[in-house]
Amino acid sequence: QKEVEQNSGPLSVPEGAIASLNCTYSDRGSQSFFWYRQYSGKSPELIMFIYSNGDKEDGRFTAQLNKASQYVSLLIRDSQPSDSATYLCAAQMNRDDKIIFGKGTRLHILP
Amino acid sequence: GAGVSQSPRYKVAKRGQDVALRCDPISGHVSLFWYQQALGQGPEFLTYFQNEAQLDKSGLPSDRFFAERPEGSVSTLKIQRTQQEDSAVYLCASSLGTATYEQYFGPGTRLTVT
Repeated sequence: QKEVEQNSGPLSVPEGAIASLNCTYSDRGSQSFFWYRQYSGKSPELIMFIYSNGDKEDGRFTAQLNKASQYVSLLIRDSQPSDSATYLCAAQMNRDDKIIFGKGTRLHILP
Repeated sequence: GAGVSQSPRYKVAKRGQDVALRCDPISGHVSLFWYQQALGQGPEFLTYFQNEAQLDKSGLPSDRFFAERPEGSVSTLKIQRTQQEDSAVYLCASSLGTATYEQYFGPGTRLTVT
C-alpha cells in the first residue's frame, strides 16, 4: 500500500514567521512530489512540485526533497493569515499518473 | 478560459438511489481523474482516463461505482445503490497530457447519502 504521511496538525505559526510542513512517503519508486493548498470548502490548488533532490524556491515557498530519507517538506516564509489552509502533500510514480495524497496538515497563521 | 467544472455541486440522495456526477474538463485536456475526499481526509484516487480510454480504475471502491468518458471530453461518475459511506466530496481533475505534472481540480460535488 503506497502511503503519504503527514501530521494532521493544527500547526499554529505567528504571522511573519516561517511555517514548516513535513511529509514522508512509503514508495521508493515515487518520482514526483506535490504540495497542494486547500481552503475549507474549496478544491486543492497546486502550489509547487518537485522531482529532484534538494530545494526548489518559488516566491515565499520552498519545497525540499530528500529521496534517501523519503521526506518532503514545504517552507513558507513571511507567513500571512491568508496562508491559513490545509496543505496536502502528494506523490506520483510517473508523469500523468494518479497522485497519492496525504491527509493534509492544517496550518493556522496567527495574526 | 474556463476551468474544470462539475455538476451538481451538491447532491442529497436517499440510500439505495443511483446518482450521476458530471465533470467537464478544461478544453483540450487529455487526462481526467476522479478522486473521493471524505471529511478531514486527503483526496483518494478513484479512476483515470486518457482521452476515452479508462487506463486505471483500481481505486473504485466497489462494483457500484462506474465511470465513463465516451467522447474523450465530459466524464460521468455513476454510483448505484448509494450507501451512507459513499457520502464525500467527489473531485474531478484534468491535465493537459503526458508531459505535464499539473492536475487542475474542479470545485467538487458534495454527495450526502441519507
